[in-house]
Amino acid sequence: DTAVSQTPKYLVTQMGNDKSIKCEQNLGHDTMYWYKQDSKKFLKIMFSYNNKELIINETVPNRFSPKSPDKAHLNLHINSLELGDSAVYFCASSQGLGRTTYEQYFGPGTRLTVT
Amino acid sequence: AQSVTQPDIHITVSEGASLELRCNYSYGATPYLFWYVQSPGQGLQLLLKYFSGDTLVQGIKGFEAEFKRSQSSFNLRKPSVHWSDAAEYFCAVGARTGTASKLTFGTGTRLQVTL
Repeated sequence: DTAVSQTPKYLVTQMGNDKSIKCEQNLGHDTMYWYKQDSKKFLKIMFSYNNKELIINETVPNRFSPKSPDKAHLNLHINSLELGDSAVYFCASSQGLGRTTYEQYFGPGTRLTVT
Repeated sequence: AQSVTQPDIHITVSEGASLELRCNYSYGATPYLFWYVQSPGQGLQLLLKYFSGDTLVQGIKGFEAEFKRSQSSFNLRKPSVHWSDAAEYFCAVGARTGTASKLTFGTGTRLQVTL
């Protein structure tokens, strides 16, 4: 039973298109995250939501818009895709209470390729 | 701002040999430190964590790490490597942001295991 799942696993699209990536967790966590891993494997946090409230919003182009319909889901919508958006996007979740906040569980990733 | 340095980009060890992966951090307060492993095409899995107390922490899959405040290090070790340990290893330092945690990752060390 998958703890953190993402769809799709692979996404190939052209520049200028709009696309969404979905994330769901069944761990009962109340905090969710989006990370971007570039071609050199460098991981950087983008956003974090706690129970549908935006907590972390790093320096990310406003073409990226996260949406959290409920605490088990965090979607990432990207407008006007650019070549530089090509990366692997990871969703993660944690329980926002004490030290368990730091124990983040990651999804399998979505590899986005913009052509 | 916190940062993590992993000096070794790529390490090759023979199966059965011991392993040490280096990690140095920069953080103004007592750090919360983590090691994650990423197998090819997979998400990240938490290997072990350090919050406080005993400076030698045990993790899953036979890994351990030692926190040395004087050296700002949190090196990962394993006494006998198995071929299945071949993967990318990431060290991270955590900082609290409200009800979320912000993990800052190092650039990773790729471990290759020869038979």
